Amino acid sequence: KAGVTQTPRYLIKTRGQQVTLSCSPISGHRSVSWYQQTPGQGLQFLFEYFSETQRNKGNFPGRFSGRQFSNSRSEMNVSTLELGDSALYLCASSPEGQGYEQYFGPGTRLTVT
Amino acid sequence: QKEVEQDPGPLSVPEGAIVSLNCTYSNSAFQYFMWYRQYSRKGPELLMYTYSSGNKEDGRFTAQVDKSSKYISLFIRDSQPSDSATYLCAPQKAGNKLTFGGGTRVLVKP
Repeated sequence: KAGVTQTPRYLIKTRGQQVTLSCSPISGHRSVSWYQQTPGQGLQFLFEYFSETQRNKGNFPGRFSGRQFSNSRSEMNVSTLELGDSALYLCASSPEGQGYEQYFGPGTRLTVT
Repeated sequence: QKEVEQDPGPLSVPEGAIVSLNCTYSNSAFQYFMWYRQYSRKGPELLMYTYSSGNKEDGRFTAQVDKSSKYISLFIRDSQPSDSATYLCAPQKAGNKLTFGGGTRVLVKP
């Protein structure tokens, strides 16, 4: 099976802009989670989607949002970008009922200038 | 205090040595305990997971969980230079949210 794919891999944006990142899960996986990784805070949970519904949410401001489509592909959006949003954004998918088996994509490295 | 604490390292060992990694956590609701390996500029890769207390072995890797002391360990036997990476522990409550430790960087020198 193909792994989790994320696009784009690298992105440079300016403060105040918005950005949309995309994630395609492993075939058959219906749960998709998003994480932010920074040197200072490490890996932090953003949110999880299952069957097009947000099931869990981390402690991030409302500027961070996401959605999931009927084919389980997911997007996350960050509006009004801040310098502190520069990070590696990781998407992970897991089989139904096996949330402990999360498989990560390569990530999208976002740089905000 | 963070929910999951992990020594950042780096931990430098000679090839063939046993690598010992550990995490402590504070939330007694954690039920699953995962270990991930992350190479530079890559996403984390699931190594193994353990449910509740006990040991689990997979090849050169052994994971241990002691829920009474809230202590998680990972041992790598016969370490190889290709094991050089950052290792992240990630305990989980029911549901899909993982809480990651900060990661320990491991360097295995030939």
